[in-house]
Amino acid sequence: GAVVSQHPSRVICKSGTSVKIECRSLDFQATTMFWYRQFPKQSLMLMATSNEGSKATYEQGVEKDKFLINHASLTLSTLTVTSAHPEDSSFYICSARGGGMTYEQYFGPGTRLTVT
Amino acid sequence: DAKTTQPNSMESNEEEPVHLPCNHSTISGTDYIHWYRQLPSQGPEYVIHGLTSNVNNRMASLAIAEDRKSSTLILHRATLRDAAVYYCILRDPSGAGSYQLTFGKGTKLSVIP
Repeated sequence: GAVVSQHPSRVICKSGTSVKIECRSLDFQATTMFWYRQFPKQSLMLMATSNEGSKATYEQGVEKDKFLINHASLTLSTLTVTSAHPEDSSFYICSARGGGMTYEQYFGPGTRLTVT
Repeated sequence: DAKTTQPNSMESNEEEPVHLPCNHSTISGTDYIHWYRQLPSQGPEYVIHGLTSNVNNRMASLAIAEDRKSSTLILHRATLRDAAVYYCILRDPSGAGSYQLTFGKGTKLSVIP
């Protein structure tokens, strides 16, 4: 199957700072990327959907000014958590699908964010 | 979105078959049944999907009831590596937001050595 990578795999930052998470599709062009958040012992919650070259579509309740998503190329999307607070500590997971893929969606390994 | 219902947890002995059930009584005619699994501290991975007929692949089998209101994911010989949370998800490829996957709570499968 296709490979999606995320970097970093884990990050610790101080409250009030910003942190950027990268999501890359390594062997296919990702026309659509998704960002999820998962709190401990809970399921994945979709945060936003982004199509290459377009603005991301955010799910209800997700602050677009706090979670900045950029999908500037067909292999890279970034999620920037701005002015992070301890309640933003979570497991962030991206997934990607390529043009022509009808059902395949490939997930990254996730990024563990801890805000102190 | 049509919802799915899965048991919170299940246990299996290693090397034995596992049947993971999923109820989806409000499934529409165009909904595909997808299964993903998530190993601890990892992103989900695709397992299998189907529409009406039973499906087999190298990872598992998917048995779909004739009325499509339920399905069962079958792992033929559970290994310790199969310990994960298994998600049963309905997706309509023709609808708006059709590529989104909505995750429920899934079934946490424990495999006993």
